[in-house]
Amino acid sequence: KAGVTQTPRYLIKTRGQQVTLSCSPISGHRSVSWYQQTPGQGLQFLFEYFSETQRNKGNFPGRFSGRQFSNSRSEMNVSTLELGDSALYLCASSFPAERENTGELFFGEGSRLTVL
Amino acid sequence: AQSVSQHNHHVILSEAASLELGCNYSYGGTVNLFWYVQYPGQHLQLLLKYFSGDPLVKGIKGFEAEFIKSKFSFNLRKPSVQWSDTAEYFCATRGGFNKFYFGSGTKLNVKP
Repeated sequence: KAGVTQTPRYLIKTRGQQVTLSCSPISGHRSVSWYQQTPGQGLQFLFEYFSETQRNKGNFPGRFSGRQFSNSRSEMNVSTLELGDSALYLCASSFPAERENTGELFFGEGSRLTVL
Repeated sequence: AQSVSQHNHHVILSEAASLELGCNYSYGGTVNLFWYVQYPGQHLQLLLKYFSGDPLVKGIKGFEAEFIKSKFSFNLRKPSVQWSDTAEYFCATRGGFNKFYFGSGTKLNVKP
């Protein structure tokens, strides 16, 4: 069974540009969530999608957005990049907690964004 | 709001030493607690989880954690670490709609 796939794995952008990251969840998983990982900060929740609907959003500015498609694939977009956006962006998929009381997240390897 | 604290940011141990990593959570209601591990160059993976029942939870690779409600703690333990346990460990709790709250992580360095 294929795991969570994220593309691209690495990318370098300059301030002011925008970036789109992609995530393909494990087959059958309909919940996709995104996290930002930075050294010393751990993982910060960005948003979660289920059936193309954003159900939850973290405390990030509006420059961070996302969407989910009917096949559960998800994208996140960051506009007007700032130096502080440099991070590892992780996507995780799972069954919705309401369906199965597991709630375990399955993570991709992440997209490492460097903003110069 | 829920939160998770990990007080050990960097731990260095020799092989065969015992390990205990601290984790405290803030939420006073029903909690779902997790420990994830990130080996160098690999994706985060689940070590163990607690939802209810026996407060002593056993996970993969000989790890275990104890849920102590009165102390709001969920510490991770391993009796004898190996060099291959070198990794970063994250404690987490789950809120609504799969919103997870992660601690800042503990980097474990095991010396051979």
